[in-house]
Amino acid sequence: KNQVEQSPQSLIILEGKNCTLQCNYTVSPFSNLRWYKQDTGRGPVSLTIMTFSENTKSNGRYTATLDADTKQSSLHITASQLSDSASYICVVILTGGGNKLTFGTGTQLKVEL
Amino acid sequence: DSGVTQTPKHLITATGQRVTLRCSPRSGDLSVYWYQQSLDQGLQFLIHYYNGEERAKGNILERFSAQQFPDLHSELNLSSLELGDSALYFCASSVAGTGHYTFGSGTRLTVV
Repeated sequence: KNQVEQSPQSLIILEGKNCTLQCNYTVSPFSNLRWYKQDTGRGPVSLTIMTFSENTKSNGRYTATLDADTKQSSLHITASQLSDSASYICVVILTGGGNKLTFGTGTQLKVEL
Repeated sequence: DSGVTQTPKHLITATGQRVTLRCSPRSGDLSVYWYQQSLDQGLQFLIHYYNGEERAKGNILERFSAQQFPDLHSELNLSSLELGDSALYFCASSVAGTGHYTFGSGTRLTVV
């Protein structure tokens, strides 16, 4: 069982619409949680970074929320654009040394006209 | 351009062969991480090097090995390749203590 689970697995929306992606995690103790955007065939690019004490973080049309008690995070995209079509990956960063990144399998978002 | 350079971008090879993937980290970054991303799978951690020394290993097969050189570039060696090794291989670099990871564009390996 993956320690970072994302839903939905895939999503198709019309340009201009909003959407919300979900992330549930079980790994702990964690230092921070990040959302990455990965375009097809490219490396992941960081969108937001939240520590366990933060509830929300925005980056333009992207807003991430975090509930450390329920171990849930969401990424809300407003006024979607065609260029938002990508995989969105939730990543939990663990405290301590070694490999700190635990990746979710991502939500594949497609924005259509 | 993220500043992390991976070569080659694409690689097609036959089963049983050996390949070397190369990663040049972002200037000033001492850490290099290697990840494998198979079709429809999340990124799986393989190995972490810091300033030339191995720091952590993930689910890296014994057929795979890596090293980081004095100029901080890293190589991932994959041998006795199997069809299941076909995947995207990413490296990421970071500055120690900042928690900022920068990913390269990956090497797409296809084993036929």
